[in-house]
Amino acid sequence: DAMVIQNPRYQVTQFGKPVTLSCSQTLNHNVMYWYQQKSSQAPKLLFHYYDKDFNNEADTPDNFQSRRPNTSFCFLDIRSPGLGDAAMYLCATSREDRGREQYFGPGTRLTVT
Amino acid sequence: GENVEQHPSTLSVQEGDSAVIKCTYSDSASNYFPWYKQELGKGPQLIIDIRSNVGEKKDQRIAVTLNKTAKHFSLHITETQPEDSAVYFCAAAGTGRRALTFGSGTRLQVQP
Repeated sequence: DAMVIQNPRYQVTQFGKPVTLSCSQTLNHNVMYWYQQKSSQAPKLLFHYYDKDFNNEADTPDNFQSRRPNTSFCFLDIRSPGLGDAAMYLCATSREDRGREQYFGPGTRLTVT
Repeated sequence: GENVEQHPSTLSVQEGDSAVIKCTYSDSASNYFPWYKQELGKGPQLIIDIRSNVGEKKDQRIAVTLNKTAKHFSLHITETQPEDSAVYFCAAAGTGRRALTFGSGTRLQVQP
Protein backbone atom coordinates (compact mmCIF):
# COMPACT_ATOMS: atom_id res chain seq x y z
CA ASP A 1 0.00 0.00 0.00
CA ALA A 2 1.15 3.51 -0.78
CA MET A 3 2.07 5.25 2.41
CA VAL A 4 4.16 7.69 4.43
CA ILE A 5 6.82 6.02 6.58
CA GLN A 6 8.73 7.59 9.43
CA ASN A 7 11.80 6.21 11.13
CA PRO A 8 12.46 5.75 13.87
CA ARG A 9 9.11 5.76 15.65
CA TYR A 10 10.82 6.65 18.93
CA GLN A 11 14.08 8.54 19.29
CA VAL A 12 15.95 9.46 22.43
CA THR A 13 18.76 11.98 22.21
CA GLN A 14 20.84 13.92 24.66
CA PHE A 15 20.65 17.64 25.17
CA GLY A 16 22.74 19.30 22.45
CA LYS A 17 23.42 16.09 20.49
CA PRO A 18 22.40 16.37 16.82
CA VAL A 19 19.62 14.08 15.68
CA THR A 20 18.09 13.23 12.31
CA LEU A 21 14.58 11.99 11.68
CA SER A 22 13.60 10.47 8.38
CA CYS A 23 10.49 10.29 6.24
CA SER A 24 9.85 8.35 3.08
CA GLN A 25 6.80 8.09 0.87
CA THR A 26 5.57 5.77 -1.83
CA LEU A 27 2.78 8.12 -2.95
CA ASN A 28 5.01 10.04 -5.39
CA HIS A 29 3.68 13.28 -3.96
CA ASN A 30 5.60 16.41 -4.86
CA VAL A 31 5.09 18.25 -1.56
CA MET A 32 6.49 17.07 1.78
CA TYR A 33 5.91 18.76 5.13
CA TRP A 34 7.40 18.55 8.61
CA TYR A 35 5.22 19.36 11.60
CA GLN A 36 6.01 19.53 15.30
CA GLN A 37 3.26 18.44 17.67
CA LYS A 38 3.50 18.89 21.40
CA SER A 39 1.22 17.18 23.85
CA SER A 40 -2.46 18.17 23.53
CA GLN A 41 -1.67 20.72 20.81
CA ALA A 42 -2.32 20.99 17.11
CA PRO A 43 0.46 20.16 14.65
CA LYS A 44 2.67 23.17 13.94
CA LEU A 45 4.26 23.46 10.51
CA LEU A 46 8.05 23.80 10.56
CA PHE A 47 8.74 23.84 6.82
CA HIS A 48 7.85 22.15 3.58
CA TYR A 49 9.33 21.23 0.22
CA TYR A 50 7.46 21.89 -2.98
CA ASP A 51 9.45 19.66 -5.30
CA LYS A 52 13.00 20.82 -4.50
CA ASP A 53 11.97 24.26 -3.29
CA PHE A 54 12.40 24.66 0.45
CA ASN A 55 9.89 26.84 2.30
CA ASN A 56 10.65 27.73 5.89
CA GLU A 57 8.01 29.05 8.30
CA ALA A 58 8.95 32.43 9.71
CA ASP A 59 8.93 31.23 13.33
CA THR A 60 10.84 27.97 12.83
CA PRO A 61 14.06 28.13 14.88
CA ASP A 62 17.38 27.94 13.04
CA ASN A 63 18.09 24.81 15.06
CA PHE A 64 15.79 22.93 12.68
CA GLN A 65 16.98 22.08 9.18
CA SER A 66 15.69 19.83 6.44
CA ARG A 67 16.97 17.97 3.41
CA ARG A 68 15.15 16.38 0.53
CA PRO A 69 17.60 14.39 -1.60
CA ASN A 70 14.90 12.99 -3.88
CA THR A 71 11.12 12.83 -4.30
CA SER A 72 10.72 9.94 -1.89
CA PHE A 73 12.81 11.00 1.08
CA CYS A 74 12.91 13.96 3.42
CA PHE A 75 14.97 14.44 6.58
CA LEU A 76 14.58 16.65 9.62
CA ASP A 77 17.84 17.62 11.32
CA ILE A 78 17.86 19.11 14.78
CA ARG A 79 21.33 20.55 15.27
CA SER A 80 21.34 21.07 19.02
CA PRO A 81 18.21 19.68 20.63
CA GLY A 82 16.94 21.38 23.73
CA LEU A 83 14.49 20.06 26.29
CA GLY A 84 11.81 22.16 24.63
CA ASP A 85 12.24 20.25 21.37
CA ALA A 86 10.81 17.07 22.86
CA ALA A 87 7.69 16.43 20.80
CA MET A 88 6.07 14.26 18.15
CA TYR A 89 7.42 15.08 14.69
CA LEU A 90 5.04 14.40 11.86
CA CYS A 91 5.83 14.12 8.19
CA ALA A 92 3.07 14.68 5.66
CA THR A 93 2.80 14.66 1.88
CA SER A 94 0.42 16.05 -0.68
CA ARG A 95 0.03 15.69 -4.43
CA GLU A 96 -0.07 19.39 -5.12
CA ASP A 97 0.06 22.50 -3.07
CA ARG A 98 -2.73 24.84 -2.11
CA GLY A 99 -5.43 22.85 -0.50
CA ARG A 100 -4.85 19.29 -1.62
CA GLU A 101 -5.20 16.35 0.73
CA GLN A 102 -2.30 15.91 3.11
CA TYR A 103 -1.40 12.41 4.26
CA PHE A 104 0.48 12.02 7.50
CA GLY A 105 2.97 9.44 8.63
CA PRO A 106 2.77 7.82 12.08
CA GLY A 107 5.21 10.28 13.59
CA THR A 108 8.49 10.07 15.50
CA ARG A 109 8.32 10.79 19.20
CA LEU A 110 11.51 12.57 20.24
CA THR A 111 12.70 12.54 23.84
CA VAL A 112 15.56 14.82 24.92
CA THR A 113 17.41 13.84 28.09
CA GLY B 1 -2.68 34.99 8.28
CA GLU B 2 -5.40 32.42 8.76
CA ASN B 3 -6.76 31.67 12.21
CA VAL B 4 -8.93 28.64 12.93
CA GLU B 5 -10.86 28.30 16.17
CA GLN B 6 -12.33 24.96 17.24
CA HIS B 7 -14.95 24.12 19.86
CA PRO B 8 -15.45 22.34 22.13
CA SER B 9 -12.05 21.26 23.39
CA THR B 10 -13.54 18.12 24.94
CA LEU B 11 -16.75 16.29 24.19
CA SER B 12 -18.20 13.27 25.91
CA VAL B 13 -21.19 11.43 24.44
CA GLN B 14 -22.97 8.16 25.00
CA GLU B 15 -22.57 5.43 22.43
CA GLY B 16 -25.20 5.85 19.75
CA ASP B 17 -25.56 9.60 20.25
CA SER B 18 -24.43 12.23 17.77
CA ALA B 19 -21.39 14.44 18.16
CA VAL B 20 -20.86 17.87 16.61
CA ILE B 21 -17.59 19.79 16.48
CA LYS B 22 -17.48 23.35 15.18
CA CYS B 23 -14.74 25.48 13.63
CA THR B 24 -14.54 29.05 12.45
CA TYR B 25 -11.93 30.53 10.16
CA SER B 26 -10.82 34.07 9.48
CA ASP B 27 -9.48 34.13 5.92
CA SER B 28 -12.25 34.42 3.36
CA ALA B 29 -9.80 33.12 0.72
CA SER B 30 -9.69 29.70 2.39
CA ASN B 31 -11.32 27.12 0.14
CA TYR B 32 -10.36 23.70 1.51
CA PHE B 33 -11.45 22.35 4.89
CA PRO B 34 -10.30 18.90 5.98
CA TRP B 35 -10.99 17.05 9.20
CA TYR B 36 -8.44 14.76 10.80
CA LYS B 37 -8.80 12.06 13.44
CA GLN B 38 -5.79 11.38 15.62
CA GLU B 39 -5.61 8.36 17.88
CA LEU B 40 -3.14 8.18 20.72
CA GLY B 41 0.43 7.77 19.50
CA LYS B 42 -0.51 7.92 15.82
CA GLY B 43 -0.40 10.49 13.06
CA PRO B 44 -3.52 12.39 12.02
CA GLN B 45 -5.76 10.54 9.58
CA LEU B 46 -7.86 12.42 7.03
CA ILE B 47 -11.48 11.40 7.54
CA ILE B 48 -13.42 13.86 5.39
CA ASP B 49 -12.92 17.17 3.65
CA ILE B 50 -14.99 19.81 1.92
CA ARG B 51 -14.25 22.51 -0.60
CA SER B 52 -15.81 25.93 -0.76
CA ASN B 53 -18.01 25.15 -3.75
CA VAL B 54 -19.94 22.58 -1.69
CA GLY B 55 -22.19 23.16 1.33
CA GLU B 56 -22.34 19.64 2.72
CA LYS B 57 -20.63 16.31 2.27
CA LYS B 58 -21.45 12.93 3.81
CA ASP B 59 -19.58 9.68 4.15
CA GLN B 60 -21.53 7.04 6.03
CA ARG B 61 -21.78 8.24 9.66
CA ILE B 62 -19.67 11.34 9.09
CA ALA B 63 -20.79 14.61 7.54
CA VAL B 64 -19.28 18.05 7.20
CA THR B 65 -21.16 21.29 6.59
CA LEU B 66 -19.72 24.60 5.42
CA ASN B 67 -21.18 28.08 5.75
CA LYS B 68 -18.98 30.38 3.70
CA THR B 69 -20.87 33.52 4.63
CA ALA B 70 -20.41 32.93 8.33
CA LYS B 71 -16.98 31.35 7.81
CA HIS B 72 -17.66 28.28 9.84
CA PHE B 73 -17.72 24.56 9.23
CA SER B 74 -18.78 21.62 11.36
CA LEU B 75 -18.17 17.89 11.70
CA HIS B 76 -21.14 15.69 12.51
CA ILE B 77 -20.73 12.10 13.65
CA THR B 78 -23.93 10.08 14.00
CA GLU B 79 -24.44 6.79 15.85
CA THR B 80 -21.13 7.20 17.67
CA GLN B 81 -19.15 4.13 18.62
CA PRO B 82 -16.35 3.69 21.18
CA GLU B 83 -13.81 3.47 18.34
CA ASP B 84 -14.73 7.05 17.40
CA SER B 85 -12.95 8.16 20.57
CA ALA B 86 -9.94 10.23 19.49
CA VAL B 87 -8.78 13.81 19.02
CA TYR B 88 -10.33 15.53 16.01
CA PHE B 89 -8.68 18.49 14.25
CA CYS B 90 -10.24 20.81 11.73
CA ALA B 91 -8.04 22.72 9.32
CA ALA B 92 -8.23 25.26 6.55
CA ALA B 93 -6.16 26.09 3.49
CA GLY B 94 -6.62 28.26 0.46
CA THR B 95 -5.32 30.08 -2.53
CA GLY B 96 -1.87 31.49 -1.89
CA ARG B 97 -1.29 29.37 1.18
CA ARG B 98 0.01 25.83 0.80
CA ALA B 99 -0.01 24.71 4.36
CA LEU B 100 -2.95 23.78 6.53
CA THR B 101 -3.87 25.92 9.50
CA PHE B 102 -5.16 23.62 12.22
CA GLY B 103 -7.71 24.20 14.92
CA SER B 104 -6.73 23.40 18.49
CA GLY B 105 -8.41 19.99 18.51
CA THR B 106 -11.38 18.31 20.20
CA ARG B 107 -10.99 15.28 22.39
CA LEU B 108 -14.05 13.11 21.78
CA GLN B 109 -14.86 10.37 24.23
CA VAL B 110 -17.66 7.94 23.44
CA GLN B 111 -18.92 6.19 26.54
CA PRO B 112 -20.07 2.59 26.00
